[in-house]
Amino acid sequence: DTGVSQNPRHKITKRGQNVTFRCDPISEHNRLYWYRQTLGQGPEFLTYFQNEAQLEKSRLLSDRFSAERPKGSFSTLEIQRTEQGDSAMYLCAGAGGNYGYTFGSGTRLTVV
Amino acid sequence: GENVEQHPSTLSVQEGDSAVIKCTYSDSASNYFPWYKQELGKGPQLIIDIRSNVGEKKDQRIAVTLNKTAKHFSLHITETQPEDSAVYFCAASFGAGNQFYFGTGTSLTVIP
Repeated sequence: DTGVSQNPRHKITKRGQNVTFRCDPISEHNRLYWYRQTLGQGPEFLTYFQNEAQLEKSRLLSDRFSAERPKGSFSTLEIQRTEQGDSAMYLCAGAGGNYGYTFGSGTRLTVV
Repeated sequence: GENVEQHPSTLSVQEGDSAVIKCTYSDSASNYFPWYKQELGKGPQLIIDIRSNVGEKKDQRIAVTLNKTAKHFSLHITETQPEDSAVYFCAASFGAGNQFYFGTGTSLTVIP
């Protein structure tokens, strides 16, 4: 148990559909990050929250992507009008307090 | 922005031998260098990290060295075991709680 839960673990969707992923860090994680990992590559930064404030967004985060952390606890990442290029593992990481940077197990998205 | 390069991309060693993975970074402002182990279907797990004010850090069979002048850092695993087989990623950041820039990963296979 890493302390960061992600749901669902796997998602298969048709091109053009919208999908939403959820990340639940532990309460001590005041910082929350979303990364995307494609096959054979390292994770790439998407966006970052300090409590409920979204402080930084990568150029990878097109206008089809939106992330929220409404109460500074769990976070959601939504992808609208999915494309095949969105197929990847979406990783969430929490950090804060005496806890270092901890990744969840990820959500694997397949767009068909 | 920061650019992290990692070598080799694949590495096979006999059980009991040592494994070395090397990374270089481009931004001299980076001051935190974690290493992650990722097993199939799981998120990256932190195995060791080093800050720029330290040249070497060791934790049992794992050690990391950092050369700030040359902007490179290395992971050393001694007395390798089959359960060490996984993909290893290096990363660099400015601060432990900020965006990480990851290398492309090294797939390590330990042959029994």
